Amino acid sequence: DSGVTQTPKHLITATGQRVTLRCSPRSGDLSVYWYQQSLDQGLQFLIQYYNGEERAKGNILERFSAQQFPDLHSELNLSSLELGDSALYFCASSEGDRPIEAFFGQGTRLTVV
Amino acid sequence: KNEVEQSPQNLTAQEGEFITINCSYSVGISALHWLQQHPGGGIVSLFMLSSGKKKHGRLIATINIQEKHSSLHITASHPRDSAVYICAVRLGDTGNQFYFGTGTSLTVIP
Repeated sequence: DSGVTQTPKHLITATGQRVTLRCSPRSGDLSVYWYQQSLDQGLQFLIQYYNGEERAKGNILERFSAQQFPDLHSELNLSSLELGDSALYFCASSEGDRPIEAFFGQGTRLTVV
Repeated sequence: KNEVEQSPQNLTAQEGEFITINCSYSVGISALHWLQQHPGGGIVSLFMLSSGKKKHGRLIATINIQEKHSSLHITASHPRDSAVYICAVRLGDTGNQFYFGTGTSLTVIP
């Protein structure tokens, strides 16, 4: 158990809908990273938050957004969903603002139908 | 072109065999990570390397910064080692992002 909790584990939704994925980092970790793993693209970095502020941005679509709350949990919002958004979404956390040692959650499997 | 290339893509081994998975990268990095993804999807961080060699149980990871290459070795492989092994690099100039290889799918047969 990495200490990083992601909910829900599985999510099935229709195209055009909006979903929210949640991540609770390890106790004491200030950084949260979001990754998308799709069959054709592999793992890709989406975005990082550190202590409530956006720190780095990767290949995140404009339809996606994230935030980190004062209690350090983070949410990834995916809107106007398309079939191609079906993927595993991972959250990782680290103590500092660099992923020197990152701990991964179990992922949320999103299926868009 | 992907900044991180892994080989082989798929690997099948008999239990007890010595296994090597390779990772090459094309840019300057500040660190390299080896990750293990189990069939259920969960990801575990195995090693973080910036130089030299690290060992944890039957797993050994090495990195050659000059050659931009890292290897993950598994000694006395076991069916429970069956997983996807992913190399991830943290680029020197970005610092905060991982770039991932496509993974090596390992199956160890009893």
